[in-house]
Amino acid sequence: LAKTTQPISMDSYEGQEVNITCSHNNIATNDYITWYQQFPSQGPRFIIQGYKTKVTNEVASLFIPADRKSSTLSLPRVSLSDTAVYYCLVGVLSGGYQKVTFGTGTKLQVIP
Amino acid sequence: DAGVIQSPRHEVTEMGQEVTLRCKPISGHDYLFWYRQTMMRGLELLIYFNNNVPIDDSGMPEDRFSAKMPNASFSTLKIQPSEPRDSAVYFCASSLLRTEETQYFGPGTRLLVL
Repeated sequence: LAKTTQPISMDSYEGQEVNITCSHNNIATNDYITWYQQFPSQGPRFIIQGYKTKVTNEVASLFIPADRKSSTLSLPRVSLSDTAVYYCLVGVLSGGYQKVTFGTGTKLQVIP
Repeated sequence: DAGVIQSPRHEVTEMGQEVTLRCKPISGHDYLFWYRQTMMRGLELLIYFNNNVPIDDSGMPEDRFSAKMPNASFSTLKIQPSEPRDSAVYFCASSLLRTEETQYFGPGTRLLVL
């Protein structure tokens, strides 16, 4: 299983862009990178997923360099409601069996 | 769809008692996962099922924990006997086997063992 490493916590002011980087040096060829968001007293919620280069949706962007040993979740113009824990996951998605493990996550605190 | 449903939402019990947590996955999903979350250990995968068959239970802490999935729409996680260190939030999640796989989490069961 690919191990992921993220910063434990980050602070940001409202309206700023936030970039959270995840390291996954031993990512395998078939692994995808997925980010989840978790608010207090709720289960994690899917944000974005990618394999390489850049992926963008209505919530965030995901940047993955060519070597895929890291990935960066970018949240544009954060608001107070973006205060949450963000998890980076790496694992096989299609075919066969899979096991994905959540790391410690990054606790993002958005400051007014 | 109502999403993943878990019951009870809160459970308070005394040490030594049996605890049963329940989960109804999203209809049609192939995978079901049980997680435990604590401040100390974060979010840990306990066990997961594929088409009702347990695939990997290496995360189950000890023999006091057991999980079953008798059919595609129901799973249980049982702790017998319960201990104070089992106090945590237990999440159930389900997913559909496809390229764009995403796990959908339930609201969790907050367990307190006194």
